[in-house]
Amino acid sequence: EAGVAQSPRYKIIEKRQSVAFWCNPISGHATLYWYQQILGQGPKLLIQFQNNGVVDDSQLPKDRFSAERLKGVDSTLKIQPAKLEDSAVYLCASSYPAGNTIYFGEGSWLTVV
Amino acid sequence: AQSVAQPEDQVNVAEGNPLTVKCTYSVSGNPYLFWYVQYPNRGLQFLLKYITGDNLVKGSYGFEAEFNKSQTSFHLKKPSALVSDSALYFCAVRDEGDYKLSFGAGTTVTVRA
Repeated sequence: EAGVAQSPRYKIIEKRQSVAFWCNPISGHATLYWYQQILGQGPKLLIQFQNNGVVDDSQLPKDRFSAERLKGVDSTLKIQPAKLEDSAVYLCASSYPAGNTIYFGEGSWLTVV
Repeated sequence: AQSVAQPEDQVNVAEGNPLTVKCTYSVSGNPYLFWYVQYPNRGLQFLLKYITGDNLVKGSYGFEAEFNKSQTSFHLKKPSALVSDSALYFCAVRDEGDYKLSFGAGTTVTVRA
């Protein structure tokens, strides 16, 4: 069974630029999550989708972050404009059904300079 | 509110010795508990979970964890550590009535040959 796919794996951008990360969850997983993991900390949930609807985006900095899952399968997380403090690993994860074991992708490593 | 504490930032053991990584939690209702491992430049890999039933849970790579309700703990154990077990370990919890998974700050395990 294929795991959660993410791209790109690594990205370096200058502050105020934009970046987008893509995620394809495990086949059949209705729930998709984006987590932010800052160095030395545990992952923090940014947004959770159930199919193509948003379940929780309470910790998503909506002035600069956006995410969509238009067809209920793959998802895109965008940051615009990026700040230095956005340097982190962005982890996509999926589960079926919501709340059961969450499986993570390899992560997209963002450095903002 | 739910929370997880991993009281040790680092754990150092010799290969062949027992390994224990500590975790305590706080939830309002019944806890669902998880352990994940993260190797350098990789995403989080699921190790094991406790939902209900036997307090001793066995997982991947020879790891096990014991749920202790009275002490609100879910310590990860391995009887004989390997150098390849060196990684970052995360404990996570969610309340039975909630979908949100909360992570601890992580414990870095170093197993020396």
